[in-house]
Amino acid sequence: ETVMAQSPATLSVSPGERATLSCRASQSVSSKLAWYQQKPGQAPRLLIYGASTRATGVPVRFSGSGSGTEFTLTISSLQPEDFAVYYCQQYNDWPPLTFGGGTMVEIK
Amino acid sequence: EVQLVESGGGLIQPGGSLRLSCAASGFSVSYNFMTWVRQAPGKGLEWVSVLYTGGGAKYADSVKGRFTFSRDSSESTLYLQMDSLRSEDTAVYYCARVAWDGYYFDVWGQGTLVTVSS
Repeated sequence: ETVMAQSPATLSVSPGERATLSCRASQSVSSKLAWYQQKPGQAPRLLIYGASTRATGVPVRFSGSGSGTEFTLTISSLQPEDFAVYYCQQYNDWPPLTFGGGTMVEIK
Repeated sequence: EVQLVESGGGLIQPGGSLRLSCAASGFSVSYNFMTWVRQAPGKGLEWVSVLYTGGGAKYADSVKGRFTFSRDSSESTLYLQMDSLRSEDTAVYYCARVAWDGYYFDVWGQGTLVTVSS
């Protein structure tokens, strides 16, 4: 099973600042990595797939990078609606499909 | 509009059974792989099962032999039959569509809460 680890668990950022979230896989997942955003009481929303491709309708301030075992989600200038929990998910080696534990981005 | 709507959650005693439904609109469940993902209260996301277009399915070890994923294509509805429920199955269950080019999930329902407790 490929274990996904996200860091930090919580990230405190001021509006307008940059946020950098990390996701590490226990073995290579190539570029088969997705990022999701989840707000309280809502379902997850797909942001990024293929490690770096934005999903339809996702603002350009969200960008993904990395391959193999190290991945990064960057939010270039945090907007009030971006404060949420972010999850990474690998889809290279399965079953099972696995998610990271999440990073909560909170207002500083 | 592409949409998924789950229903069927509720309070059930340990050892009991429950069937969740997921109604799809705006696309065909016959031509898309579909999945269930769950989230225990205050916890992260856990993949549960994938249903292939051919009708076969794969399951997480934690639910294998207890859960069955199926569909009724004529009604565009998916089902998750959950038997021998345990307290650790307590979670919000999300139905989602698997993307065409990889096993990530591009459309999600709003979720339905299952509580297993005596």
